[in-house]
Amino acid sequence: LAKTTQPISMDSYEGQEVNITCSHNNIATNDYITWYQQFPSQGPRFIIQGYKTKVTNEVASLFIPADRKSSTLSLPRVSLSDTAVYYCLVGLRFMDSNYQLIWGAGTKLIIKP
Amino acid sequence: NAGVTQTPKFRVLKTGQSMTLLCAQDMNHEYMYWYRQDPGMGLRLIHYSVGEGTTAKGEVPDGYNVSRLKKQNFLLGLESAAPSQTSVYFCASSYSSTGEERKYFGPGTRLTVT
Repeated sequence: LAKTTQPISMDSYEGQEVNITCSHNNIATNDYITWYQQFPSQGPRFIIQGYKTKVTNEVASLFIPADRKSSTLSLPRVSLSDTAVYYCLVGLRFMDSNYQLIWGAGTKLIIKP
Repeated sequence: NAGVTQTPKFRVLKTGQSMTLLCAQDMNHEYMYWYRQDPGMGLRLIHYSVGEGTTAKGEVPDGYNVSRLKKQNFLLGLESAAPSQTSVYFCASSYSSTGEERKYFGPGTRLTVT
């Protein structure tokens, strides 16, 4: 069953760089990889999006290898306020050629002081 | 500019009762979505709409109905609630439906069916 896979949880400390990887073996050829952040009792919020290589914005970087079967969200110098659940979202092409946008199950990131 | 709003925020239903969740967006988005979120399962698409007057089934549509009579509103109905529908429901909107288009989410509705 084509799907996305992320670690269930991760811990880190303030000031560290955190990398969260999502695997997506069946990513559709022309689709983007998007990461969202979710705080408790809130809806997900867009963080970053990319198609290939590397994308950087004011809050994160996204690394995508040439085969695009995985992607890594990088959060530089995290703070306590980065404690949240992080989701990857990709378009996947299934065996029957059906296309769906699939959310990962989410990675719960806990930042410690 | 309120973005995406949802009402109610919380609701408790008894099995067999019905209810309607309301989603409203003020960004003039064509596309609107209803998701449910359950622990350890990420978000699953229930129904979506590509424009006023049109709706389509998502990944888990059974037991739900939707309507999009106005561009800014997207309603999710439960005709006969079941305990399996206990979940957090999120509405989202976007300009288009491609993977490139970022989605804007509402704050969610926590529904408990007893």
